[in-house]
Amino acid sequence: GAGVSQSPSNKVTEKGKDVELRCDPISGHTALYWYRQSLGQGLEFLIYFQGNSAPDKSGLPSDRFSAERTGGSVSTLTIQRTQQEDSAVYLCASSLRAGSQETQYFGPGTRLLVL
Amino acid sequence: RKEVEQDPGPFNVPEGATVAFNCTYSNSASQSFFWYRQDCRKEPKLLMSVYSSGNEDGRFTAQLNRASQYISLLIRDSKLSDSATYLCVVNSAGNNRKLIWGLGTSLAVNP
Repeated sequence: GAGVSQSPSNKVTEKGKDVELRCDPISGHTALYWYRQSLGQGLEFLIYFQGNSAPDKSGLPSDRFSAERTGGSVSTLTIQRTQQEDSAVYLCASSLRAGSQETQYFGPGTRLLVL
Repeated sequence: RKEVEQDPGPFNVPEGATVAFNCTYSNSASQSFFWYRQDCRKEPKLLMSVYSSGNEDGRFTAQLNRASQYISLLIRDSKLSDSATYLCVVNSAGNNRKLIWGLGTSLAVNP
């Protein structure tokens, strides 16, 4: 039983470059969430998917951030023209269904450093 | 006022001690409450959901006080392996699918 996987585990990039982060949820989980955690900070909700649709994008910090999910499985979070303040751990979680009673299972995260 | 507030700690306790954390939330319409645990440089993992009547799982007891809008976590007979950050999580009222995360309370259990 594989858990949530994310790639890459670490990413160092230069300011202004685009990055793409990948999340592979637990098989059969229809809901997928992206969070960001900066050093010493709490989890910041970015976006969630129910199937392939994203009913709530309210947490995306700017229009440089976008996410998609295809086939109800893998999701990618893209950050365009990265800035230093984008440096953080990007965590993906999945749950069987969308709903606040559902347990969210997290991946190990992608540590992004923008120089 | 933050939507979910926790004392950041750190709480330093000896092995075997009992320790309690509180968490307050701002929206009285919130319906779902959880405690997650996060080890250093690791992802959060669900510790336990918090039910209206309170619930217990081994050495861990969670309580909900709706009138005062706080939840608590009690750890009895603490172990070295309990050292972690404990995250209070509450659903965003009006958006049943969105969870609001506290900044966490840091616990260090010392030998």
